[in-house]
Amino acid sequence: SQQGEEDPQALSIQEGENATMNCSYKTSINNLQWYRQNSGRGLVHLILIRSNEREKHSGRLRVTLDTSKKSSSLLITASRAADTASYFCAFKVPGTYKYIFGTGTRLKVLA
Amino acid sequence: NAGVTQTPKFQVLKTGQSMTLQCAQDMNHNSMYWYRQDPGMGLRLIYYSASEGTTDKGEVPNGYNVSRLNKREFSLRLESAAPSQTSVYFCASSEAGDGNTIYFGEGSWLTVV
Repeated sequence: SQQGEEDPQALSIQEGENATMNCSYKTSINNLQWYRQNSGRGLVHLILIRSNEREKHSGRLRVTLDTSKKSSSLLITASRAADTASYFCAFKVPGTYKYIFGTGTRLKVLA
Repeated sequence: NAGVTQTPKFQVLKTGQSMTLQCAQDMNHNSMYWYRQDPGMGLRLIYYSASEGTTDKGEVPNGYNVSRLNKREFSLRLESAAPSQTSVYFCASSEAGDGNTIYFGEGSWLTVV
């Protein structure tokens, strides 16, 4: 399967703590994206990191990419209850138009 | 700006019935996708359309057919529904090329009994 694997599958933290989730993939990629899904809703794009970038920041989000290990991590700092959602990594299979998603991490932030 | 609109939102089918999920986008995107989402499985690509007039199989195409009716619309058909097709279905679209944001519809909850 080309699907990305994410861990942990579920994460429960207190408001104000940091949340880290990881994504591993098997194919070579040109870039990797992270998406968020609130319960019962569609996915929304968060951030993209290119294969020649090691780290990228956007507000409280920090994404890293290690192409040698075929892995990426998403860090949410100073989490809020409103960050409660599922988070997915996604990448395009090179040479195709197929976007593949990871299995997702369910984050619960307790107020 | 509606983005990606898919219908119906909810549907209950009996085994063997057929139905079509409709999807339309108003962002002039070339590429469109159908995914299914099952607990613990994440999103799996069923079919995609790189551009108007073309469709290709994704990871789990069996039991489904698609039609790219025009640049705006991409429908997913279940010819003979099976309980294994109970899932949440998402339509999505993006510009062609790598690194473009994928825009999702709100999902269609399908139950096959």
